[in-house]
Amino acid sequence: GQQVMQIPQYQHVQEGEDFTTYCNSSTTLSNIQWYKQRPGGHPVFLIQLVKSGEVKKQKRLTFQFGEAKKNSSLHITATQTTDVGTYFCAGIPPGGYNKLIFGAGTRLAVHP
Amino acid sequence: NAGVMQNPRHLVRRRGQEARLRCSPMKGHSHVYWYRQLPEEGLKFMVYLQKENIIDESGMPKERFSAEFPKEGPSILRIQQVVRGDSAAYFCASSPNGLAAYEQYFGPGTRLTVT
Repeated sequence: GQQVMQIPQYQHVQEGEDFTTYCNSSTTLSNIQWYKQRPGGHPVFLIQLVKSGEVKKQKRLTFQFGEAKKNSSLHITATQTTDVGTYFCAGIPPGGYNKLIFGAGTRLAVHP
Repeated sequence: NAGVMQNPRHLVRRRGQEARLRCSPMKGHSHVYWYRQLPEEGLKFMVYLQKENIIDESGMPKERFSAEFPKEGPSILRIQQVVRGDSAAYFCASSPNGLAAYEQYFGPGTRLTVT
């Protein structure tokens, strides 16, 4: 079946350093969404990318969707302690409806 | 506007008992999705339902698991004869539309522990 791989599994950074997580799908995706989950919490929607090569920014967060719509990345500039959590990408396969295939997530720890 | 509600938040069951997890979608949402999350892992799709219909249950184990979303009331995920391997966090999400353009709103989850 369709798989979405995400690396790295863990990332420890000093506050102020940058962070990037990468997502790769075994097949072309219709859309890709990114979620953040704080420890003990639930996934919270961050953004959706739809177009090939799309780049979107939210303050210090930059999201990219690859040209082939099979990979994506999330980059955080100058991390803060509030960025701590697990970041998940979730791909939506072609075919119409909103079935999310989640990557395993990247757990980010930020040391002050 | 209340978000997605799930109850109970924590559920402890002994092996062989039944677990019933409830999910009330956001107001105006008629599409519900259930996901399972094992510790330190991502979320795995289980089932997608609309009111009174199961649209996709490809992620549901073939035995012991069932889901429904009746015309009135919450969506229910039912696990019969629970085993230790069923211990996980179960999240429900809702959206106003099943099309791929819409984000999913997640509930707080039910943490199931099987002893």
